[in-house]
Amino acid sequence: DGGITQSPKYLFRKEGQNVTLSCEQNLNHDAMYWYRQDPGQGLRLIYYSQIVNDFQKGDIAEGYSVSREKKESFPLTVTSAQKNPTAFYLCASNSGYGYTFGSGTRLTVV
Amino acid sequence: KQEVTQIPAALSVPEGENLVLNCSFTDSAIYNLQWFRQDPGKGLTSLLLIQSSQREQTSGRLNASLDKSSGRSTLYIAASQPGDSATYLCAVKELKAAGNKLTFGGGTRVLVKP
Repeated sequence: DGGITQSPKYLFRKEGQNVTLSCEQNLNHDAMYWYRQDPGQGLRLIYYSQIVNDFQKGDIAEGYSVSREKKESFPLTVTSAQKNPTAFYLCASNSGYGYTFGSGTRLTVV
Repeated sequence: KQEVTQIPAALSVPEGENLVLNCSFTDSAIYNLQWFRQDPGKGLTSLLLIQSSQREQTSGRLNASLDKSSGRSTLYIAASQPGDSATYLCAVKELKAAGNKLTFGGGTRVLVKP
């Protein structure tokens, strides 16, 4: 089945650590996105990529980094510069018609 | 800047009642509007997508309408069931949005009581 796979489902980060969230899609979509969701709030865009080897900052990119070396993969690194990283992270892809989302990664700072 | 609002933030209805969920947006220059469902701790599942040229879309018990000129969309769920309990989010894609970005509303949390 085509879809988006995010891993891990749960991730714990110590203070000062960088962690990487994985996002893989087999939908052959060119565009991929990372959103952050906080309790009681809507989704906010972190980064997006419309094509391999190209990506753009979203509304809340500070403290995050991404890469897009393959069409299928769009990993997100949460760096130590992100002061409040505890949130639910969602990866999505877009065919130009509609969005498809992954099942999310819940990141907690310990 | 586009703003998307969903009121109410939470809604509780008895089983069998029809659900009416509202979404409003400030800039009518949209490409399309998409309704999603989110279960607790899960990702988003696409329910319906309405292109800007369309007035409504239907899928089973779900019907979504779009009035672009007034900046409103409504999601109707007929004969609600406890399994419909979830958070429902709407999102718009603007005509001028770089990268086909979506702007999301805050969602309406729905509880259908047996």
